[in-house]
Amino acid sequence: EDQVTQSPEALRLQEGESSSLNCSYTVSGLRGLFWYRQDPGKGPEFLFTLYSAGEEKEKERLKATLTKKESFLHITAPKPEDSATYLCAVRLGSGNTGKLIFGQGTTLQVKP
Amino acid sequence: DGGITQSPKYLFRKEGQNVTLSCEQNLNHDAMYWYRQDPGQGLRLIYYSQIVNDFQKGDIAEGYSVSREKKESFPLTVTSAQKNPTAFYLCASTRDRNTLTNTEAFFGQGTRLTVV
Repeated sequence: EDQVTQSPEALRLQEGESSSLNCSYTVSGLRGLFWYRQDPGKGPEFLFTLYSAGEEKEKERLKATLTKKESFLHITAPKPEDSATYLCAVRLGSGNTGKLIFGQGTTLQVKP
Repeated sequence: DGGITQSPKYLFRKEGQNVTLSCEQNLNHDAMYWYRQDPGQGLRLIYYSQIVNDFQKGDIAEGYSVSREKKESFPLTVTSAQKNPTAFYLCASTRDRNTLTNTEAFFGQGTRLTVV
């Protein structure tokens, strides 16, 4: 069964305390792994796309990496405005008509 | 500006009623999706459509119906058969499933449905 699992469910950090969020997946035919940020009551906002193992993407304090079985979202020296829920999603390949499935999300709280 | 528009933002439904949530996109995307999000949880796939006049059930399709008569529109009907419809509903779209790059999904701002 195609599955995406994120950990931890919740993470509390002090401002400036770096950490990583994990997204592990077991799918048949990966056609892209995506990271999103979601603020309360809003739609998810796209952050990164990763297509192949070894690929890395960076944006401000965020860096996403991908292996054959998992992805990490590294947050360096976070600020309170980074507080949000971070969602990982996988787009399936051939035989699954492009189905897009999400993990449960990690809720990040950064305290000043 | 291109984007996805969901309406209404808030919707109240009486028990036993059917309601329809609107989703329109002007991104010229082929694929569209409906997700349900419950408090503190991730997104669960209800229905998705890769092309006009075709759609597939997701993981939690029971009690919901959709249509895809136009490329830019993908309305979701929550029927009276859906026993627990109170949730946050999100619509998304992506480029063609055969596209190898820029395959990320773009989301609307959601509709919050409450049963009263």
